[in-house]
Amino acid sequence: DADVTQTPRNRITKTGKRIMLECSQTKGHDRMYWYRQDPGLGLRLIYYSFDVKDINKGEISDGYSVSRQAQAKFSLSLESAIPNQTALYFCATSDRVDGTDTQYFGPGTRLTVL
Amino acid sequence: QKEVEQNSGPLSVPEGAIASLNCTYSDRGSQSFFWYRQYSGKSPELIMFIYSNGDKEDGRFTAQLNKASQYVSLLIRDSQPSDSATYLCAGDQTGANNLFFGTGTRLTVIP
Repeated sequence: DADVTQTPRNRITKTGKRIMLECSQTKGHDRMYWYRQDPGLGLRLIYYSFDVKDINKGEISDGYSVSRQAQAKFSLSLESAIPNQTALYFCATSDRVDGTDTQYFGPGTRLTVL
Repeated sequence: QKEVEQNSGPLSVPEGAIASLNCTYSDRGSQSFFWYRQYSGKSPELIMFIYSNGDKEDGRFTAQLNKASQYVSLLIRDSQPSDSATYLCAGDQTGANNLFFGTGTRLTVIP
């Protein structure tokens, strides 16, 4: 079984709809992240969480919210989806060892907002 | 100025050649650097990381770090068509708790 899973893998929705992307991990890592990837822009950090009570905004948090339901679960919500949120979304986890954070990515969710 | 910059490429090399991928960073306080490989439509996969000046080798891959020049590179020896992918460079940032990624370099290995 994959260490980091994301659901759904693909989603098509309409402008104004609320949607949730879910991420689960079995790696036992405390740190979890949400990124979006757009062609030519690379990976951009949306939110990150270092434990259930610690959630932080990333580079591009506007229009998104997150929930850390448990150590293993981190969800990303789009309250009112808009077309420029069409992107590939990745969840990642990491564990800080010897001062180094190595991130491991889930398979991604391809989101299309019409 | 972007924290981590990569040549966008694309870079093409013949099979069996050495592919050289380069990355520069702006934060002198950055300590750790990572190379990820990403196939089209797939998630980034960690190749290796480096945090000490010099070279680090893992199989056909060698990462090189030069902190004085703020330069990180990845060499792929004996390139194979299966190495064709986008390579992402990432580094940490002083005072930050996350990684910053470059936009990636697309590599094509020609059989």
